[in-house]
Amino acid sequence: GQSLEQPSEVTAVEGAIVQINCTYQTSGFYGLSWYQQHDGGAPTFLSYNGLDGLEETGRFSSFLSRSDSYGYLLLQELQMKDSASYFCAVRDRMRSNYQLIWGAGTKLIIKP
Amino acid sequence: SQTIHQWPATLVQPVGSPLSLECTVEGTSNPNLYWYRQAAGRGLQLLFYSVGIGQISSEVPQNLSASRPQDRQFILSSKKLLLSDSGFYLCAWVYSGARYGYTFGSGTRLTVV
Repeated sequence: GQSLEQPSEVTAVEGAIVQINCTYQTSGFYGLSWYQQHDGGAPTFLSYNGLDGLEETGRFSSFLSRSDSYGYLLLQELQMKDSASYFCAVRDRMRSNYQLIWGAGTKLIIKP
Repeated sequence: SQTIHQWPATLVQPVGSPLSLECTVEGTSNPNLYWYRQAAGRGLQLLFYSVGIGQISSEVPQNLSASRPQDRQFILSSKKLLLSDSGFYLCAWVYSGARYGYTFGSGTRLTVV
């Protein structure tokens, strides 16, 4: 089957670094995406990894290891506004038209 | 630039009433369009997607339907709402593959009472 696993909740301190992990199981992996969703809002696209390695965008980085079916989102210099839910999503070759398989989301709680 | 509009923002409807949610995209042509539903505190469930006018694919059998009467218009409908239809409905489009990510509308929070 196809599934993604990510922690349901992560707590961190303002200014610190936090890593949100995602493991996946798909029949035809094509790429891993990350989205941020604030309470009451719509998800917004953060990053995409199609190949192994690290992709950096400002304070956020995303990593992929296809051999381990694993990826993570790294958030540095945490700010209170980073409190949100973070979703990993996989694009699968077996699904057409850019359909994504979504994780259940990780709620990031940031304490002062 | 491309934008996506979705309305209404909130909706409270009685059980058995009809539903119509509309989504329009600006600044692009022939987009892939999607309807998702999100239950409180949960992930996203794909309901329908469309690759062109009149072309609708359904992912989950239910009492909802979708239509695409124009290239940049995507409509989600129901003839009779159920309590289980409550949720956060999101329209999205994607440009040239997953690398560029989905762009979501602002969503409609539907409560069926």
